[in-house]
Amino acid sequence: DQQVKQNSPSLSVQEGRISILNCDYTNSMFDYFLWYKKYPAEGPTFLISISSIKDKNEDGRFTVFLNKSAKHLSLHIVPSQPGDSAVYFCAARAYNFNKFYFGSGTKLNVKP
Amino acid sequence: SAVISQKPSRDICQRGTSLTIQCQVDSQVTMMFWYRQQPGQSLTLIATANQGSEATYESGFVIDKFPISRPNLTFSTLTVSNMSPEDSSIYLCSFEENYGYTFGSGTRLTVV
Repeated sequence: DQQVKQNSPSLSVQEGRISILNCDYTNSMFDYFLWYKKYPAEGPTFLISISSIKDKNEDGRFTVFLNKSAKHLSLHIVPSQPGDSAVYFCAARAYNFNKFYFGSGTKLNVKP
Repeated sequence: SAVISQKPSRDICQRGTSLTIQCQVDSQVTMMFWYRQQPGQSLTLIATANQGSEATYESGFVIDKFPISRPNLTFSTLTVSNMSPEDSSIYLCSFEENYGYTFGSGTRLTVV
């Protein structure tokens, strides 16, 4: 049973436009969420996080939004750049547990 | 933040053989984690490795198949034993930092 889902396996966006990557979760105990970016032949690298006490966290071009009632989070990249082309994973964890649950990833392609 | 080195980066192995993957961190970390990413799937936690104690395995993973060593606070190995084509995956080691996990670059294993 997959507790974190990314229903879009791929997304293509024009350079300069907004990229919106979505993630849904089923466990209401999840209270901490991460986004990772992964380039081919590299391990995932941390991008941005959000805890359940917030509904938005911003870091430069990257903003994560959390809708707890809908059990949904999204990552917005504005403006998108070709270097953002990668696979993006969301991950979630319940309070005081070590284990993160990962989505299956969304491959973002930003076209020049 | 600490840096994690993982090797080999990739390997092609014959079925029935074993492969040992190594991870080295440039500082001491309490817990290390081993993940698997099967093609088109999310990252799945295999086990948690603490120094000086037996690894804790997640449901569906057993020590005989995935023996783990953690001889000190900077190093860990994962062995994939008696391999079959179903073991073809990317294997990743990681450790926890304040915000989440830092990952190694991964080992892409192909079993033929």
